[in-house]
Amino acid sequence: EAGVAQSPRYKIIEKRQSVAFWCNPISGHATLYWYQQILGQGPKLLIQFQNNGVVDDSQLPKDRFSAERLKGVDSTLKIQPAKLEDSAVYLCASSLDLTPEQFFGPGTRLTVL
Amino acid sequence: SQQGEEDPQALSIQEGENATMNCSYKTSINNLQWYRQNSGRGLVHLILIRSNEREKHSGRLRVTLDTSKKSSSLLITASRAADTASYFCATDASNTGKLIFGQGTTLQVKP
Repeated sequence: EAGVAQSPRYKIIEKRQSVAFWCNPISGHATLYWYQQILGQGPKLLIQFQNNGVVDDSQLPKDRFSAERLKGVDSTLKIQPAKLEDSAVYLCASSLDLTPEQFFGPGTRLTVL
Repeated sequence: SQQGEEDPQALSIQEGENATMNCSYKTSINNLQWYRQNSGRGLVHLILIRSNEREKHSGRLRVTLDTSKKSSSLLITASRAADTASYFCATDASNTGKLIFGQGTTLQVKP
């Protein structure tokens, strides 16, 4: 079974630029999550999708972050404009419906200069 | 904000020894999960314990949960160099999949 795929793996941008991350969850997984993991900390949930609907986006900084999950499969997370404090690893995870176990992708390491 | 506080922040042991990591949380939970993260990689689910359970085993892993103290521990027995990683506890308060992660414990197992 293929795992959660993410791209790119690394991205370096300057502040005020925009960036987008892509995630392809495990086939058949209805629930998809985006997390932000700052160095030395645990992951923080940004947004949770159930199929193509948003379940929770309470911690998503909506003035600069946006996410979509068209057709209930792939998802993109966008930051526009980026700030220095957005430097982090962005992790995508998926799960079967609302089952507890989440499967994580390798993450995208973002550096904002 | 992060719900879980993990202790210790870092742990260094010799291969073959046991490693114990603790997690405390603040609010009532539906389940608590432990994940492992190798350097530069994504997280891997290790074990889940529900609020009505007190202890679970999986291979060399043993997890306990004390809901009265709002705490959990993860024991790795007979550690191996390959167990070197960061370990995170994550709580799910509402059984919706919304996980709140702790800060993690970095474990180093020396061969």
